[in-house]
Amino acid sequence: NAGVTQTPKFRILKIGQSMTLQCTQDMNHNYMYWYRQDPGMGLKLIYYSVGAGITDKGEVPNGYNVSRSTTEDFPLRLELAAPSQTSVYFCASSYLRDRGGQPQHFGDGTRLSIL
Amino acid sequence: GQQVMQIPQYQHVQEGEDFTTYCNSSTTLSNIQWYKQRPGGHPVFLIQLVKSGEVKKQKRLTFQFGEAKKNSSLHITATQTTDVGTYFCAGTTNDYKLSFGAGTTVTVRA
Repeated sequence: NAGVTQTPKFRILKIGQSMTLQCTQDMNHNYMYWYRQDPGMGLKLIYYSVGAGITDKGEVPNGYNVSRSTTEDFPLRLELAAPSQTSVYFCASSYLRDRGGQPQHFGDGTRLSIL
Repeated sequence: GQQVMQIPQYQHVQEGEDFTTYCNSSTTLSNIQWYKQRPGGHPVFLIQLVKSGEVKKQKRLTFQFGEAKKNSSLHITATQTTDVGTYFCAGTTNDYKLSFGAGTTVTVRA
């Protein structure tokens, strides 16, 4: 059971380039999330999805796009990379939320530098 | 919007000592979760608190949820080098989304 898998683990981009960060989970979780973590900061929610075909913006969505065509996959797209998008990106997933909420399972992260 | 504040930002602890990190929300939370992130790693779920005034223990870690469900604390006794890392609280008010605090980064002096 792999859990949440993110690829690539590291990437360097030039300003203006585009790329897709991949995320897949094998736990049949309905909910999936993308966060970014800047040094010394907490996690900021970029986008989330409550199921296949449904996505919504989080706190910091500008400059990113997502899609959710299957339950397993939730890729994050950067169209025009900017230095401000240098960060560590984490994908997470959780079960359908009940009243108490459910813990999120995180991938190992993608460390992205834009130069 | 909802804000979750965590203090202190850094905690330098002598091995064997106790310490506490605090989490405060500007709004009432339906639940609060705690995560630990080791250096270079990813956040790992520790525990969830749901009830007002709830207290849960995991070995040397004690988690509390305030009566008003606006604050929480994590107390670690007899700190060990394995406790090194950043501890995040994350509160839920709306469906699906957690709001994470900035974390308390713990270093341990042997």
